[in-house]
Amino acid sequence: GQNIDQPTEMTATEGAIVQINCTYQTSGFNGLFWYQQHAGEAPTFLSYNVLDGLEEKGRFSSFLSRSKGYSYLLLKELQMKDSASYLCAVMDSNYQLIWGAGTKLIIKP
Amino acid sequence: IAGITQAPTSQILAAGRRMTLRCTQDMRHNAMYWYRQDLGLGLRLIHYSNTAGTTGKGEVPDGYSVSRANTDDFPLTLASAVPSQTSVYFCASSDTGPGANVLTFGAGSRLTVL
Repeated sequence: GQNIDQPTEMTATEGAIVQINCTYQTSGFNGLFWYQQHAGEAPTFLSYNVLDGLEEKGRFSSFLSRSKGYSYLLLKELQMKDSASYLCAVMDSNYQLIWGAGTKLIIKP
Repeated sequence: IAGITQAPTSQILAAGRRMTLRCTQDMRHNAMYWYRQDLGLGLRLIHYSNTAGTTGKGEVPDGYSVSRANTDDFPLTLASAVPSQTSVYFCASSDTGPGANVLTFGAGSRLTVL
């Protein structure tokens, strides 16, 4: 079966750095996505990785290792507004998205 | 403002009733999707449409139907609602083609079936 695993909840301090991990087992691979979802709102796109390595976009970076079935989202200089759920999703060989359950990130002052 | 509009925002429904969730996009995206989101689970695809006039079944299609008469509209119908269909429903759209797989989501419709 296809599976995406990510921690249910993480806590971090304002101004710090946090890494949210995602491991996956899917039928084929056509890219990995990270979305941010604030409570009661729609998911919004953060990043897309299809090749191994690190993609940096401001305070957010995303890393992919296809051989390990592993990705992480790195958030630097955490702000209170970064409190949200972070969803990992993998596009399989049929171009269907398989979603993780999301990681709820709590930022404390 | 370009994006996706969903209606209603929230609805309480008696079991056995018929309900249609509306979704309209103004981005001229070819592909549209309906997902449900339940606590502790990832987004699950109900139905999708790659282009106007075509639809397909997702992971959890039972009890739901869709239509795609034109590019902009993609309504989701629950023919006879059951309590297990209590969920938050998200409509999404995307361009199609290589590298054009980013989803834009609507604000969601919270449905409670009693």
